[in-house]
Amino acid sequence: AQSVTQLDSQVPVFEEAPVELRCNYSSSVSVYLFWYVQYPNQGLQLLLKYLSGSTLVKGINGFEAEFNKSQTSFHLRKPSVHISDTAEYFCAVSVSGGYNKLIFGAGTRLAVHP
Amino acid sequence: DVKVTQSSRYLVKRTGEKVFLECVQDMDHENMFWYRQDPGLGLRLIYFSYDVKMKEKGDIPEGYSVSREKKERFSLILESASTNQTSMYLCASSLRAPPEAFFGQGTRLTVV
Repeated sequence: AQSVTQLDSQVPVFEEAPVELRCNYSSSVSVYLFWYVQYPNQGLQLLLKYLSGSTLVKGINGFEAEFNKSQTSFHLRKPSVHISDTAEYFCAVSVSGGYNKLIFGAGTRLAVHP
Repeated sequence: DVKVTQSSRYLVKRTGEKVFLECVQDMDHENMFWYRQDPGLGLRLIYFSYDVKMKEKGDIPEGYSVSREKKERFSLILESASTNQTSMYLCASSLRAPPEAFFGQGTRLTVV
């Protein structure tokens, strides 16, 4: 069965510093990969997605992620964070083919400090 | 824009009650999902439906059932609510491929 591991439950960082949120998945077949963001008291919003093609994926708000098939990872990065990036970030995986059930990780809480 | 609408933002129910959470999507998506969100546990899949009247159990289906009689509507049913079902419930929908999910605003259910 597929699963997703987000390696850090909380990541504190200072404003304008770079950040990386780590995500590993377990699947031996082709996958679709996603990062979602949840701001306080709001629903989930898609940040970016990997479906196929280029392994470097760019998303909204200056975020990007790199798909690494050999390491089964899909880490999220931003070169310079803002206070407004404070939120919870979720990595998700779906095995391509079939009905594409979507499985989420436990989330990483990003706290950006001034 | 895709819209996924959950019938209630906040709900308070008593232990033992039968509870219905409703979700409607307006984009003709094949897939619909119910997740439960708890601090430190992320989103856990309760049930998944890939077509009308078709469903598949997720990771935590115990104590829940679902109904999908029409393509746009997916209902989550708590047969006999218990306090450990107090949580945030999120509904989502997606095309079969690619499975980019769109979420509702969530229903915060408190069982007392």
